[in-house]
Amino acid sequence: AQSVTQLDSQVPVFEEAPVELRCNYSSSVSVYLFWYVQYPNQGLQLLLKYLSGSTLVKGINGFEAEFNKSQTSFHLRKPSVHISDTAEYFCAVSREYGNKLVFGAGTILRVKS
Amino acid sequence: DTGVSQDPRHKITKRGQNVTFRCDPISEHNRLYWYRQTLGQGPEFLTYFQNEAQLEKSRLLSDRFSAERPKGSFSTLEIQRTEQGDSAMYLCASIQGWRSTDTQYFGPGTRLTVL
Repeated sequence: AQSVTQLDSQVPVFEEAPVELRCNYSSSVSVYLFWYVQYPNQGLQLLLKYLSGSTLVKGINGFEAEFNKSQTSFHLRKPSVHISDTAEYFCAVSREYGNKLVFGAGTILRVKS
Repeated sequence: DTGVSQDPRHKITKRGQNVTFRCDPISEHNRLYWYRQTLGQGPEFLTYFQNEAQLEKSRLLSDRFSAERPKGSFSTLEIQRTEQGDSAMYLCASIQGWRSTDTQYFGPGTRLTVL
């Protein structure tokens, strides 16, 4: 079975500063990795996904993530955040047929002016 | 707006009552998923359909829960004899393709409050 750990429940950061949201996963087999964002009162929106190939994945809104197999990590980064990036971010893994997602507990990103 | 809609958006009910939620996936998406999200947690998988067939149910889905997807289009999730522990956000997602790498598109969710 897979599991996901998001190491920070909340990350406060000032506008235009860089940010990293950490995600570690546990799986005995190869997995697919995803980052979703949830704005208040909205559903989850896919930011990016790692399926195979290059370990650096670029997503929407200037976010990117790096897959590190040896560290079993998939940390999300953005070089310069905006107030509008304030939201909750979820890391997720999928492997089994049927594509059900296993999510972490989420990290709330609070961007301050 | 992803194109997946859920109704109602909010539901307040008293303990012991039955509730039913509806999910309309993106047209022609053949797989549909239900997840439950409690406060401070990520979504947890409940069940999924491939067309009208319910292929997997989580152990979280007690016998008070039932889901259907007649004709492979919209889906309903019913909770009988609601309990306070059922209070959560219920999310629906759909996928067009058959590959496990396809993207799930989520609806806005139905927030259930059981008093």
